[in-house]
Amino acid sequence: EIVLTQSPATLSLSPGETATLSCRASQTIFNYLAWFQQKPGQAPKLLIYEATKRATGIPARFSGRGSGTDFTLTISSLEPEDFAVYYCLQRSDPFTFGPGTRVDI
Amino acid sequence: QVQLVQSGAEVKKPGASVKVSCRVSGYRLSELFMHWVRQAPGTGLEWLGGFSPEEDENIYSQKFRGRVVLTEDTSTDTAYMELSSLKSEDTAVYYCSASYKTISGLVNNAVNFQHWGQGTLVTVAT
Repeated sequence: EIVLTQSPATLSLSPGETATLSCRASQTIFNYLAWFQQKPGQAPKLLIYEATKRATGIPARFSGRGSGTDFTLTISSLEPEDFAVYYCLQRSDPFTFGPGTRVDI
Repeated sequence: QVQLVQSGAEVKKPGASVKVSCRVSGYRLSELFMHWVRQAPGTGLEWLGGFSPEEDENIYSQKFRGRVVLTEDTSTDTAYMELSSLKSEDTAVYYCSASYKTISGLVNNAVNFQHWGQGTLVTVAT
């Protein structure tokens, strides 16, 4: 089973700053990686798929990079609504989620 | 726009089974593929199973294989997830999630988990 590791576990930032979240896979997953945002009491929301492609309606301040085993989600100029938990998901073998990164104020 | 409405909260005893439904509106279930994900209290997301366009069948997490069954009733546009031999550790919010089988006329195997239900809390307790 492919294991995803996310770092850091918690990121404390202020509105307007840039958040850089990491997701590392235990073996290559090519570009089969997605990112999700989850706010308390809500279902997750798809942000990025195929490592770099923004889902419909997702603002340009969200960007994804990486391939193989190392991936990054960058949130430029954090808005108040961006403070949430972010999960990565691999769909290579077959699906597993990372443990999440909490972005706190 | 696809909307997914899940059935209400359930309380079950250990050893019992639970069947959660997910009704699709705004689209035909036959044009979507479904996945199921759960989230235990205060923890992260866990994938249970879903449809694989590459294999053209449902696939399941090894952890839940043999305990979870995914079915669909296209006449009512409703998907179901049944989990058997429940344990206290199965207490969680269960989500259905849907994606389009085709995008711009091409088979979609890249974009998963586009739309989500509101979640169903399943509590397993004596």
